Amino acid sequence: EAQVTQNPRYLITVTGKKLTVTCSQNMNHEYMSWYRQDPGLGLRQIYYSMNVEVTDKGDVPEGYKVSRKEKRNFPLILESPSPNQTSLYFCASRVRGSNEKLFFGSGTQLSVL
Amino acid sequence: ILNVEQSPQSLHVQEGDSTNFTCSFPSSNFYALHWYRWETAKSPEALFVMTLNGDEKKKGRISATLNTKEGYSYLYIKGSQPEDSATYLCAPYNFNKFYFGSGTKLNVKP
Repeated sequence: EAQVTQNPRYLITVTGKKLTVTCSQNMNHEYMSWYRQDPGLGLRQIYYSMNVEVTDKGDVPEGYKVSRKEKRNFPLILESPSPNQTSLYFCASRVRGSNEKLFFGSGTQLSVL
Repeated sequence: ILNVEQSPQSLHVQEGDSTNFTCSFPSSNFYALHWYRWETAKSPEALFVMTLNGDEKKKGRISATLNTKEGYSYLYIKGSQPEDSATYLCAPYNFNKFYFGSGTKLNVKP
């Protein structure tokens, strides 16, 4: 089954404790991206990747890192999480091209205490 | 950053009503306009991707139009059903980035 798999679904952590949210897709998509969803705001793009070893900042990259060492995986790393990073996170992927739709993962609800 | 506005923020209709909502965005440097449907506790799913001015897409009872010159898109739902209850997101795509609006939350009462 074609899908984008995110883990974990829920995560509660404390300020400053490094964490990684994993994202994997099995559709051979070139483009992958991370978003955060906060109440009253639209999905905001954190980072995106056009292909292996090619990553770039979205609109809200501060406090986040990503890597794209393999085509299928695009982990989101929070080196030192802070409470303002408490949010719902989505990973998404798609075939490269402006008229191709995004496929979203199931989301990760992160709480930083 | 593109300023994307969706209106209304929320909408309550009765089953069988037809409804529509708007996505407004800057018309310059535009590549594509995406619409997604997001049900509670699920992930957003694509409805339409439109690129051309005057484009019109249809999927069952849902259709969308695009005006790139004036920077807006309309989403129409004909004969709303309770299963249409969801948040509808639009997202212009520009220079490899997506700019999502905050969505229109539709509630269809049986």
